[in-house]
Amino acid sequence: GAGVSQSPSNKVTEKGKDVELRCDPISGHTALYWYRQSLGQGLEFLIYFQGNSAPDKSGLPSDRFSAERTGGSVSTLTIQRTQQEDSAVYLCASSLAGNGKETQYFGPGTRLLVL
Amino acid sequence: EDQVTQSPEALRLQEGESSSLNCSYTVSGLRGLFWYRQDPGKGPEFLFTLYSAGEEKEKERLKATLTKKESFLHITAPKPEDSATYLCAVHFSGGYQKVTFGTGTKLQVIP
Repeated sequence: GAGVSQSPSNKVTEKGKDVELRCDPISGHTALYWYRQSLGQGLEFLIYFQGNSAPDKSGLPSDRFSAERTGGSVSTLTIQRTQQEDSAVYLCASSLAGNGKETQYFGPGTRLLVL
Repeated sequence: EDQVTQSPEALRLQEGESSSLNCSYTVSGLRGLFWYRQDPGKGPEFLFTLYSAGEEKEKERLKATLTKKESFLHITAPKPEDSATYLCAVHFSGGYQKVTFGTGTKLQVIP
């Protein structure tokens, strides 16, 4: 079956512009996670969606970052007024029920470069 | 503060030279420990989940073990295709369902 897909695979933008990153989770997975991976750093948790519950936004680094998940499926991560320090790989993962003990399946990531 | 530390940061092995990667954690209430493999330009790929001390899991040349303070990923007779970054992640008892990732061990297996 299809895995987690993300688009675009690469994004180059200018400082100050807004960007939108998309994630299509595995069909039937109710939990969706966004992470950021900077060079030489571990995966940094950003936000977590579980079903129709309010998302856990505790990992978002600033109010320039926001995410939504429409219809319990596709998610979009938006970064407003991008800064150079936002350059990183943004990874999306999904799991069946999101109880923390389950395997998270990752997408290939979106490589964001802010010039 | 809950932390996950992986060592070494990088490891270079000759093909066939067995070794182990370490993931140590200081968390309050381990609920699960995950090992992932990440190839350049790709997302992490799941390998193992361990839930309790003493548990072991095997897959081909890889074997993961867990104690109360750390996990080891043993690689027996590695091949060049085992070259990748290996990530450890810990799910701990907390207010919400997330895992904390280590920074990974970059493994290079030389033919």
